[in-house]
Amino acid sequence: AQKVTQAQTEISVVEKEDVTLDCVYETRDTTYYLFWYKQPPSGELVFLIRRNSFDEQNEISGRYSWNFQKSTSSFNFTITASQVVDSAVYFCALSESTGTASKLTFGTGTRLQVTL
Amino acid sequence: SQTIHQWPATLVQPVGSPLSLECTVEGTSNPNLYWYRQAAGRGLQLLFYSVGIGQISSEVPQNLSASRPQDRQFILSSKKLLLSDSGFYLCAWKKAGSNYGYTFGSGTRLTVV
Repeated sequence: AQKVTQAQTEISVVEKEDVTLDCVYETRDTTYYLFWYKQPPSGELVFLIRRNSFDEQNEISGRYSWNFQKSTSSFNFTITASQVVDSAVYFCALSESTGTASKLTFGTGTRLQVTL
Repeated sequence: SQTIHQWPATLVQPVGSPLSLECTVEGTSNPNLYWYRQAAGRGLQLLFYSVGIGQISSEVPQNLSASRPQDRQFILSSKKLLLSDSGFYLCAWKKAGSNYGYTFGSGTRLTVV
């Protein structure tokens, strides 16, 4: 069975600090996808990034960057120069193939609080 | 373009009352459909998924059931709600055969009192 672990339940930082959200996954699949979603207080899930298991290149998008390392089964997310608007719950997720349907397995989320 | 609609946005129901949450997808055919639940302060738990009309897979035994009466309609139901059914329910879809491209609805916040 697949599993996603986000060991950090809650992180508090002061604005402009850098922060890294950890994600460790377990899967037996050789082909899989990893995701990060942001959930603001309103509740909807905002897609941030998708990475497939064959692409270990790190990615940077503005203040966001992602570090995918298959050797350690980790897919960590770093926010540089955090802002108050970054305050949200962040979920890491893993997509598995199960017969005719794939399923998205989520970690328990990390609540990020950015204060002035 | 494809869109997903989920309603109602909020719902307050007494214990023991029935529940029906509806999710519809537009602009695609034969989608994979999913129901997730997020209990207060918790992660997202997959409840049901469906690969076609009338085909429902349950992930967690519980007080809820799901149905897919039409290709792009996914319904979450309960005959008698429990306090523990309170939470945030999210519907999602993706293209069949793909391992990505999940799109989530805006969610229903259910409070059982």
